Amino acid sequence: EADIYQTPRYLVIGTGKKITLECSQTMGHDKMYWYQQDPGMELHLIHYSYGVNSTEKGDLSSESTVSRIRTEHFPLTLESARPSHTSQYLCASCGDSSPRYTGELFFGEGSRLTVL
Amino acid sequence: QQQVKQSPQSLIVQKGGISIINCAYENTAFDYFPWYQQFPGKGPALLIAIRPDVSEKKEGRFTISFNKSAKQFSLHIMDSQPGDSATYFCAAPWLYGGATNKLIFGTGTLLAVQP
Repeated sequence: EADIYQTPRYLVIGTGKKITLECSQTMGHDKMYWYQQDPGMELHLIHYSYGVNSTEKGDLSSESTVSRIRTEHFPLTLESARPSHTSQYLCASCGDSSPRYTGELFFGEGSRLTVL
Repeated sequence: QQQVKQSPQSLIVQKGGISIINCAYENTAFDYFPWYQQFPGKGPALLIAIRPDVSEKKEGRFTISFNKSAKQFSLHIMDSQPGDSATYFCAAPWLYGGATNKLIFGTGTLLAVQP
């Protein structure tokens, strides 16, 4: 079983609040990702990191920001939440170091965010 | 923007039947095509993956068929069981920004296996 953890699992907050979704993995993986999953199931990559101090934006434009100060920790922050941010956010990590092979992604169980 | 087109969106199969999910991809920098399985309330988990050196890979009741010339690959679930009821995602790698890479996921297929 993968050792990747997300907190909180569920969060309901009001518009304008700042929130941070936590993601931690104990596998020592360099690559970490944040995906946003629509109610209709689609997974969209919003952020990724290939190691400490490395972060890039993904395919789907997102107002969230991420940081990678430690290998095991990849938090996602929304400075001012809006109802349009309501979604499920999935964190993942990958242990493959080859640039030409993505390798297996290990996903957390997700953080379901509802902004009122 | 690369896309991976997955069909059908939903699928109902009787217990013991064959479930077939198809995906079509655009150009990728290299061939590696995984399938992920997601149960309600859980994150996706790798089910099976195929590399470019084979056109078919089988693991138990799950088989990936790969047609490179048509840029298509499919997942077959033989003897489908109610426990297979889940959402299935195909994926393809996209070479982005040089030596980095990431997975682009299909739109998902919700499979329901009826007892």
